[in-house]
Amino acid sequence: AQTVTQSQPEMSVQEAETVTLSCTYDTSESNYYLFWYKQPPSRQMILVIRQEAYKQQNATENRFSVNFQKAAKSFSLKISDSQLGDTAMYFCAFMKGYGGATNKLIFGTGTLLAVQP
Amino acid sequence: DAMVIQNPRYQVTQFGKPVTLSCSQTLNHNVMYWYQQKSSQAPKLLFHYYDKDFNNEADTPDNFQSRRPNTSFCFLDIRSPGLGDAAMYLCATSKGLAGVDEQFFGPGTRLTVL
Repeated sequence: AQTVTQSQPEMSVQEAETVTLSCTYDTSESNYYLFWYKQPPSRQMILVIRQEAYKQQNATENRFSVNFQKAAKSFSLKISDSQLGDTAMYFCAFMKGYGGATNKLIFGTGTLLAVQP
Repeated sequence: DAMVIQNPRYQVTQFGKPVTLSCSQTLNHNVMYWYQQKSSQAPKLLFHYYDKDFNNEADTPDNFQSRRPNTSFCFLDIRSPGLGDAAMYLCATSKGLAGVDEQFFGPGTRLTVL
């Protein structure tokens, strides 16, 4: 069975600073995908960034980037130039890569990020 | 804008009184999911529909049922809610593609059981 672990329940960062959220996972699968989802207070969960396990290059989306270390089974999220709107719960998630009805997301327990003005 | 809609956003029910939560989508996605998210916990998949095919998670209690009358709508029925069923219920959809298949989430329905 796959597991996803986020060891930082809460984090705080000053506006305009950089913060890194940690995530580790355990799987015996060779083909899989990793995601970071953002859940703002009282708002819906949205996808921040995703990484295909077969790609060595780390994914980047504007201020968001990941450090994907496949051998170490580590998938951290870096947020640069933090903004007040980045305040949210961040979930790391795993999905097997076979598609169709097996596309289940397995979530970590989340990291609550507070961006301070 | 194409989206996933959940109604109501807040639902209060009494212990043991059946309740139905609603989800609709304008994305025309094949797959619809229901997650339960308790306070400060990760979302937990209850079940999902791939078109009309229902897929129940092994540890989902029998108290939870689902219906998908058409592509656009999916319902979560809780037959006899207990205090432990108080949670946020998230609906999500995806195309059902092979490989990476992004899920799109609704805003959730927060269920309170009195």
